[in-house]
Amino acid sequence: DAKTTQPTSMDCAEGRAANLPCNHSTISGNEYVYWYRQIHSQGPQYIIHGLKNNETNEMASLIITEDRKSSTLILPHATLRDTAVYYCIASLYNNNDMRFGAGTRLTVKP
Amino acid sequence: DTGVSQDPRHKITKRGQNVTFRCDPISEHNRLYWYRQTLGQGPEFLTYFQNEAQLEKSRLLSDRFSAERPKGSFSTLEIQRTEQGDSAMYLCASSLAITSVDEQFFGPGTRLTVL
Repeated sequence: DAKTTQPTSMDCAEGRAANLPCNHSTISGNEYVYWYRQIHSQGPQYIIHGLKNNETNEMASLIITEDRKSSTLILPHATLRDTAVYYCIASLYNNNDMRFGAGTRLTVKP
Repeated sequence: DTGVSQDPRHKITKRGQNVTFRCDPISEHNRLYWYRQTLGQGPEFLTYFQNEAQLEKSRLLSDRFSAERPKGSFSTLEIQRTEQGDSAMYLCASSLAITSVDEQFFGPGTRLTVL
């Protein structure tokens, strides 16, 4: 898996968009970008994944740069319940060895 | 609740004792994973099963760690002769490998404290 780099922590105001960046400059052509989050005292939760194109689901949007060296997870209207650690992972599709880093601790403030 | 359950949720043991944790995956899921998570770090992959076959175990931390998944349903993770460094959260996840999403569903974890 390619190494990913994320900021250690970020704050966001409730109701505003949260934009979480991730660098994966050594990503290979067949590695996907996955995002998971972990709310305190729970197991991680899948959010979204993508290869080249931008992706959107009911939880978030994923924007991947054209050179695929970085991506941004967007939570369009952050709520207090979105406070969590967010993990960006670059991994082969259907890879069984997901390498989580330390992630970004997002705090949504009222 | 993701549908993945783990038992016990908390375990306190003395150094040198053996411990066993159980994971019940989502019933139709064919893949089951074990991870370890220490404070301030992301989950660290340990091993995984496809049905009852353990297809990757080189990342188990030492030969004191072993896992089984008899009949391809629930799984157990055993740690023999526990050490204080084994104190961590042990997470189980399952997935249905044939779907296009390949989303892993995680259980709530078992927190192990070795005294």
